[in-house]
Amino acid sequence: DVKVTQSSRYLVKRTGEKVFLECVQDMDHENMFWYRQDPGLGLRLIYFSYDVKMKEKGDIPEGYSVSREKKERFSLILESASTNQTSMYLCASSSLRDRLGEQYFGPGTRLTVT
Amino acid sequence: AQSVTQLGSHVSVSEGALVLLRCNYSSSVPPYLFWYVQYPNQGLQLLLKYTTGATLVKGINGFEAEFKKSETSFHLTKPSAHMSDAAEYFCAVRGSGNQFYFGTGTSLTVIP
Repeated sequence: DVKVTQSSRYLVKRTGEKVFLECVQDMDHENMFWYRQDPGLGLRLIYFSYDVKMKEKGDIPEGYSVSREKKERFSLILESASTNQTSMYLCASSSLRDRLGEQYFGPGTRLTVT
Repeated sequence: AQSVTQLGSHVSVSEGALVLLRCNYSSSVPPYLFWYVQYPNQGLQLLLKYTTGATLVKGINGFEAEFKKSETSFHLTKPSAHMSDAAEYFCAVRGSGNQFYFGTGTSLTVIP
């Protein structure tokens, strides 16, 4: 089974802190994605990556950056956390070999910024 | 451009009753459609997917969905709701570059 893991389930940070969210997948997937999930808004794509050192902006990249130094790991960085970044963050991965592009999700990180 | 609309952010059904969660899509190409389920404090899990071929798709846990091109719909159904079905359900369509576009979700409550 594909496994996508995220470094923390719950995280509490202060306004202005630099925050790192880590995601690791063990199925050699080329594509990786970061979403944020908010009530009534569903999942919104922040950034995605289709290869090592490659990144593409999603729908809401402002205030975030990403890093993909290794194929299995995709990091989301909040350079200076703000209270409006309090949310659930979900990582996903998919394979270019899969015609459907099915995405596999991690358990999520619930981030609170105070 | 691709998008999905889920009608009804909250649906309540009695245990044993029919579950119907609605999803309409917009796609400029033949769509790949998905339903995911999210249990409390967990990530998303695939329920079922549609590509081409048979328009009635069966998924896990007794769920199924029917692709209707004329109605641009992909509604999710289950004949008899179980307490364990209480969760949030997301419809999604695949866009270009393997991007997915998700609906805003429907929270299903099952009343004993």
